[in-house]
Amino acid sequence: KAGVTQTPRYLIKTRGQQVTLSCSPISGHRSVSWYQQTPGQGLQFLFEYFSETQRNKGNFPGRFSGRQFSNSRSEMNVSTLELGDSALYLCASSFRAEETQYFGPGTRLLVL
Amino acid sequence: GQNIDQPTEMTATEGAIVQINCTYQTSGFNGLFWYQQHAGEAPTFLSYNVLDGLEEKGRFSSFLSRSKGYSYLLLKELQMKDSASYLCAVSPDGYKKLVFGTGTRLLVSP
Repeated sequence: KAGVTQTPRYLIKTRGQQVTLSCSPISGHRSVSWYQQTPGQGLQFLFEYFSETQRNKGNFPGRFSGRQFSNSRSEMNVSTLELGDSALYLCASSFRAEETQYFGPGTRLLVL
Repeated sequence: GQNIDQPTEMTATEGAIVQINCTYQTSGFNGLFWYQQHAGEAPTFLSYNVLDGLEEKGRFSSFLSRSKGYSYLLLKELQMKDSASYLCAVSPDGYKKLVFGTGTRLLVSP
């Protein structure tokens, strides 16, 4: 069974631009969570989607948004990029009834 | 608030045993996870504890004491490939929101 896939793997943007990242969960998984990982803050939860609905949200500004499609694929968008948004963005998928989340390889975003 | 503490760095030698501790204070508890993360790669699931006690899986074991807010990951017969960061994470409310510690970087030397 294929794992979680994320595209693109690497991205370079400039301040003020916006970016969209994509995540395809493991087949059959309907829950998708997004995390930001930075050296200083570690892994921090952004939001979680299930059946196209956002069920939980972390403490990030409104510039960070996401959505989920009917096939469980998810996207996250960051608008008006700031230097501090440079990070590894990870998505993870899981079965609804199970707690274990499986991570994708991440998208490394560099904001210049 | 949510707080998860684990040592920043540990060193050990090949073939040895190492124990990585994790203490947590969270608003709720719906399970504790250990993930392994090699540099530049995604976290890989190692173990999940929701009840007190020891879970063994090959060379890796994980222990949980909910009353003490404490867990440890035990790695036996260390190999060079075990050099990685080990992340302790708690699910406070069962809504797929994991709260992570900052991770323990383990260096295994020959």
